Amino acid sequence: QKEVEQNSGPLSVPEGAIASLNCTYSDRGSQSFFWYRQYSGKSPELIMSIYSNGDKEDGRFTAQLNQASQYVSLLIRDSQPSDSATYLCAVKGSAGTGFQKLVFGTGTRLLVSP
Amino acid sequence: GAVVSQHPSWVICKSGTSVKIECRSLDFQATTMFWYRQFPKQSLMLMATSNEGSKATYEQGVEKDKFLINHASLTLSTLTVTSAHPEDSSFYICSATRLGSTSNQPQHFGDGTRLSIL
Repeated sequence: QKEVEQNSGPLSVPEGAIASLNCTYSDRGSQSFFWYRQYSGKSPELIMSIYSNGDKEDGRFTAQLNQASQYVSLLIRDSQPSDSATYLCAVKGSAGTGFQKLVFGTGTRLLVSP
Repeated sequence: GAVVSQHPSWVICKSGTSVKIECRSLDFQATTMFWYRQFPKQSLMLMATSNEGSKATYEQGVEKDKFLINHASLTLSTLTVTSAHPEDSSFYICSATRLGSTSNQPQHFGDGTRLSIL
């Protein structure tokens, strides 16, 4: 079982729609979760971080964490063509596993059509 | 902000050449820097964790004698790919965490270095 799993996509949504990106993780002790956006040929940029169960909103982005189900999601409202990119879910390991290390999922490619 | 600068952004060189990549934190001191490699259409794979003043910790399967890491100061880490071969061609990305960061703090990424070995 992979440590962090994402559907590779592509996830296609029309402009203005809500894009929902999902991620599951295997280390139940993980406490820090991040969503990065990566455009083709570029390095990742941080979109959201979440550390406790529930929702966290920042502009058009909402991160959701359910630690009981080991599930993290990212919602993008009013999707724009400029949101088209690969979205990487990253999880920091629990204490004793090199807690500062990030484990990345393979990423979900999002395509927003005008 | 938390700006991480990586240099060079693009390298093309002949097989057998050694290539040095620099990673600098410009506006903060970095306790730890990380080096990743990303092959086309794949995710980031951690190569090593670099702590200032100590030896780097390499991930399983990464040859420490081939990928030399030096973290000489709180703002600079270097990765040297020794005797590079075409299979080392990849996108190398560094990241850094702030001095004094708790486990909650994110990693800040450099712009990456695209390495092409002919």
